Amino acid sequence: DAGVIQSPRHEVTEMGQEVTLRCKPISGHDYLFWYRQTMMRGLELLIYFNNNVPIDDSGMPEDRFSAKMPNASFSTLKIQPSEPRDSAVYFCASSLLGPTDTQYFGPGTRLTVL
Amino acid sequence: AQSVAQPEDQVNVAEGNPLTVKCTYSVSGNPYLFWYVQYPNRGLQFLLKYITGDNLVKGSYGFEAEFNKSQTSFHLKKPSALVSDSALYFCAVWLTTDSWGKFQFGAGTQVVVTP
Repeated sequence: DAGVIQSPRHEVTEMGQEVTLRCKPISGHDYLFWYRQTMMRGLELLIYFNNNVPIDDSGMPEDRFSAKMPNASFSTLKIQPSEPRDSAVYFCASSLLGPTDTQYFGPGTRLTVL
Repeated sequence: AQSVAQPEDQVNVAEGNPLTVKCTYSVSGNPYLFWYVQYPNRGLQFLLKYITGDNLVKGSYGFEAEFNKSQTSFHLKKPSALVSDSALYFCAVWLTTDSWGKFQFGAGTQVVVTP
């Protein structure tokens, strides 16, 4: 298996633009997680899905952030409009059995909002 | 409040010496504890976890961790460090909440192993 795939690997955009980050989990994994990593706040869980259904989105910073999982092999994290403080590395991870099972992380998307 | 803490921002150790990375937790009930490692410009990789059972947990790359309930600690250890162990290490805990649960990471500890 290719592991968790994220695209793009790097994204540079201007404030106010819409940004869409993409994730393909490992085939057969029922859980998908979105994380954000910054120097100031460390690694934060934003939202996670079970069988394509959002389970806990309490970590989503504000309404500008939204995440979807239209099918078992694809998820998006969208920021609209983007702000400089959204600059971070965004990781997607997946697991087979749940949050306490081993999570496999993608390589991350480094987002820079100018 | 339920949480996990890594008291050291950085640990420096010479190659061949024992390595310890500290983690303490504050969780109601029985904790689920994890260690992950992050190499530069990479995603996190799972090392080991404690759910229940034996307090000494063995994981990947020769690492192990000891769950100590009385001291509320879950320190990561390796008997003989390698230069390639230089990375950022995260302790994490699964927090039970009223509704579902939440995965929380510590701030991370940078490990530097010198030749």
